[in-house]
Amino acid sequence: GALVYQYPRRTICKSGTSMRMECQAVGFQATSVAWYRQSPQKTFELIALSTVNSAIKYEQNFTQEKFPISHPNLSFSSMTVLNAYLEDRGLYLCGARTGPNERLFFGHGTKLSVL
Amino acid sequence: QQQVRQSPQSLTVWEGETAILNCSYENSAFDYFPWYQQFPGEGPALLIAIRSVSDKKEDGRFTIFFNKREKKLSLHITDSQPGDSATYFCAASSSFSKLVFGQGTSLSVVP
Repeated sequence: GALVYQYPRRTICKSGTSMRMECQAVGFQATSVAWYRQSPQKTFELIALSTVNSAIKYEQNFTQEKFPISHPNLSFSSMTVLNAYLEDRGLYLCGARTGPNERLFFGHGTKLSVL
Repeated sequence: QQQVRQSPQSLTVWEGETAILNCSYENSAFDYFPWYQQFPGEGPALLIAIRSVSDKKEDGRFTIFFNKREKKLSLHITDSQPGDSATYFCAASSSFSKLVFGQGTSLSVVP
């Protein structure tokens, strides 16, 4: 079956530092990867949508300068949180799908804590 | 503006009862509606999904009822088990839009 692996599962970084998280799709071709952030209140915010061979589309309030994303092939994507601060805390989720409006499979998420 | 709304915010049922989780949406263009189940500390797992061409989708103890005219859908969990205790998210999308999530319903199943 389709699986999405994310790592690390948890990370703690000092305020102002950066951290990188990775996403691996297994068993299917992830033509589209969506990065979400889930707040402690459980709400989901879409950060950006990355489609292979297309420009990465960032949502309002999220920028490439803050959350650079790489999606080099159909099985891997990574995102970095640059200069992390308290407001960047949350569970970062990678969702991968084979095409638009198809099933979106999530990884376990990377929980980011900022000291 | 919340495009997908869920109710109730939390729900408690006894083991063996049917839990009913409600969802409504605003965008008439939405045509794909997945439900996700999330346990604490984990990412959301796709539970069951329906497309707008259907009015019912069943998978074991989980059934989605869909009313396109009223832009409402519901997830029924029959014979609820303590292991079903989790937060359930209704989501919606179309071919031209991102997947939008509701605020979630926290379900507790009491033995």
